[in-house]
Amino acid sequence: EPEVTQTPSHQVTQMGQEVILRCVPISNHLYFYWYRQILGQKVEFLVSFYNNEISEKSEIFDDQFSVERPDGSNFTLKIRSTKLEDSAMYFCASSISGTGYNEQFFGPGTRLTVL
Amino acid sequence: GNSVTQMEGPVTLSEEAFLTINCTYTATGYPSLFWYVQYPGEGLQLLLKATKADDKGSNKGFEATYRKETTSFHLEKGSVQVSDSAVYFCALGGGSNYKLTFGKGTLLTVNP
Repeated sequence: EPEVTQTPSHQVTQMGQEVILRCVPISNHLYFYWYRQILGQKVEFLVSFYNNEISEKSEIFDDQFSVERPDGSNFTLKIRSTKLEDSAMYFCASSISGTGYNEQFFGPGTRLTVL
Repeated sequence: GNSVTQMEGPVTLSEEAFLTINCTYTATGYPSLFWYVQYPGEGLQLLLKATKADDKGSNKGFEATYRKETTSFHLEKGSVQVSDSAVYFCALGGGSNYKLTFGKGTLLTVNP
């Protein structure tokens, strides 16, 4: 069964460093998403991506964040200068269509720890 | 804006007990409602969904009914198993938004 994969499973970084979180969405999906969950809080939407551009983003997704689909399979989230409050579990998801009525398929997450 | 309020956990039950996890929502328009489950070390998996009022979603013995009058989508299972131990997330989506809006998640532990 096809699945979304994410690497690494756990990333530890120093404050101010850049990190890139990687995702491989399901191969025939066209819409891609990043969510995050700070420990003990809700899963929060960050950004959606379609046709090589951002289709929607939240207020969390400021200039420190960027997304890219560098090739036909990977989808990345970059945080340019990490802050302590960026420590969270980051989930990648993909879907065939783009409305919120349809199922999004999630990866296992990357736990980011900023020291 | 859209929001989801979910029963706080953790919930601890004995095997074969009845499970209810409450979920209420606030939304404009007519959202779809979802329950996702996260087993240890895995990603979020769709458990069930309902796309309109009075729809009942069901899967693996779990059920939830979309109640527009009470803006609720409570998850129920008549007899839980140890293998149901996981975190359960209520979520809503729909309209012109691409995103899903999640509740905080409820950790369920089922003891033998």
